[in-house]
Amino acid sequence: DIQMTQSPSSLSASVGDTVTITCRASQTVYMYLNWYRQKPGKAPTVLIYVASNLKSGVPSRFSGSGSGTDFTLTITSLQPEDFGTYFCQQTYTPPWTFGQGTTVEI
Amino acid sequence: EIHLVESGGGLVQPGGSLRLSCAASGFTFSNYALVWVRQAPGKGLEWLSGISGSGETTFYADSVKGRFTISKDNSKNTLYLQMNNLRADDTAVYYCAKDSRTTVTEAWRWSDPWGQGTLVTVSS
Repeated sequence: DIQMTQSPSSLSASVGDTVTITCRASQTVYMYLNWYRQKPGKAPTVLIYVASNLKSGVPSRFSGSGSGTDFTLTITSLQPEDFGTYFCQQTYTPPWTFGQGTTVEI
Repeated sequence: EIHLVESGGGLVQPGGSLRLSCAASGFTFSNYALVWVRQAPGKGLEWLSGISGSGETTFYADSVKGRFTISKDNSKNTLYLQMNNLRADDTAVYYCAKDSRTTVTEAWRWSDPWGQGTLVTVSS
C-alpha cells in the first residue's frame, strides 16, 4: 500500500497568514492527490482534487500543487472558518490511502 | 441536492457482525462508484472499500479484506457494508461517500459528498 505522510501534524496560525501543508507519498502517485478538510463532528469535504483543481465553491485562497511524491496545500490569507483537520488522499492505486491529517488552529 | 445517510451502527460484541446501509438520493445511483471510509475516535481517516457503479468491481483495504463485504442495490439506491468477525479496533465512525467516477479503475477521482457517518462500537 502507498503510505501518505503529512507535515506538520498540527499548526497554529493567525487570520491573514499564509499556511502551507505538505503531503509526501511513499511512491509516485503522479498527480492523483486530493485534499479534504474536516471540521469537528462533521464529515470531510473535498477542497482540491487531482493535485491542483479547486472544487467548485471552494474559496480561491486554497491552492494545491505538486506531482510525483511531494504535494502542497496552501491557504493564503487564512480566515477564521479555515480551522479544522486537513487530509491528503492518493487515488493512484487502491487502497486509496489518506495522510494522517494536519490540524489547523486559528 | 445529493444526500447520503448511513445507518446500522451500534454496539456489537467482539466476533459479532453488523450490516451498515447508506441510502442515497439526488443522483443516478448506478452511474457512480461509492466508498466506505472510517475514523476511529480521535484518529485519522482510513479508506476501507470501494465499489463500481454497476457493483461488479470491488476493492478492499487489507485491514478488512475477508471480513467486510461491500455491495450496492441499484434498485434501492442503497450501499451496504457487511462487517463480520468484528474486533475492538473496528470501533469507529463509518462514512459512505459518493465517488466522482463510475468505475474503480481510473485514478482521476475524488469522494464527494460524504454522509454524516454512523458509529460502530465493538466491545464486550
